Amino acid sequence: GAVVSQHPSRVICKSGTSVKIECRSLDFQATTMFWYRQFPKQSLMLMATSNEGSKATYEQGVEKDKFLINHASLTLSTLTVTSAHPEDSSFYICSARGRTSYNSPLHFGNGTRLTVT
Amino acid sequence: QQPVQSPQAVILREGEDAVINCSSSKALYSVHWYRQKHGEAPVFLMILLKGGEQKGHEKISASFNEKKQQSSLYLTASQLSYSGTYFCGNYSGAGSYQLTFGKGTKLSVIP
Repeated sequence: GAVVSQHPSRVICKSGTSVKIECRSLDFQATTMFWYRQFPKQSLMLMATSNEGSKATYEQGVEKDKFLINHASLTLSTLTVTSAHPEDSSFYICSARGRTSYNSPLHFGNGTRLTVT
Repeated sequence: QQPVQSPQAVILREGEDAVINCSSSKALYSVHWYRQKHGEAPVFLMILLKGGEQKGHEKISASFNEKKQQSSLYLTASQLSYSGTYFCGNYSGAGSYQLTFGKGTKLSVIP
C-alpha cells in the first residue's frame, strides 16, 4: 500500500518554457504533499508543503511565482516550473502523507529528472 | 534545523556491520530513516517516536535517545542490497510537521 506515482520521470525542455510535474497518491488520501529538490549527491531540500484546498507554504529562498504548486484534491498535487532555466535542472521528488502526525511516514514518488537546455 | 549525520560515507564488505548516527541541536519529536538508491526515490525504513525506542527492519535496527537528541541506525551482517544513501529526518518543532533531512550517509557494500 501507500503508493505515490510521479510523472513524468524524465523531461527535457528548452529554456523559457514551463514544465508540469504530477504527483498522485494511488491508494490513500494525502492530506499533505511535499515537494523536494535534490542536487547530485546532496540531500533532499524541502521546497514547499501543500495541503489540499489551500495555498502551498514555500520554504525560504524558493520563488513561489516560479514554482507553482496546486493541490487540487486529496490525491493530486502538481508542481509547475515556469520559465525554466538551466539552473532549474535538478531531481524533483514529491512525497505524500496520509495523516498529520509525528509517526506518519512520508511516501515518495519516483522523482522527475528535469533538464533545461 | 538540519540534523547532522555521520559518517558521510562508509564502505563495508558483505557480512560486516555499520552504525550511522543522526544528531540534532534541537529537541527531536521523532526520527525517520529512509534509504535511497541511486536515481530512485527514498524508501521508508522506520520511525522512532519515543525516547529510547528501538525498532527493527530486516537486519536493520535503530535506537532513539531523546535526551541526547540523537538516533543511530544499525546495519548488521550487511548485504549488497543495503547499498545506498541513508537519510535521517526529524520534525524539529512543536506543531511543525515538515520533515527535515540530514545530508545523508552513503553506504557501499562490496562482495
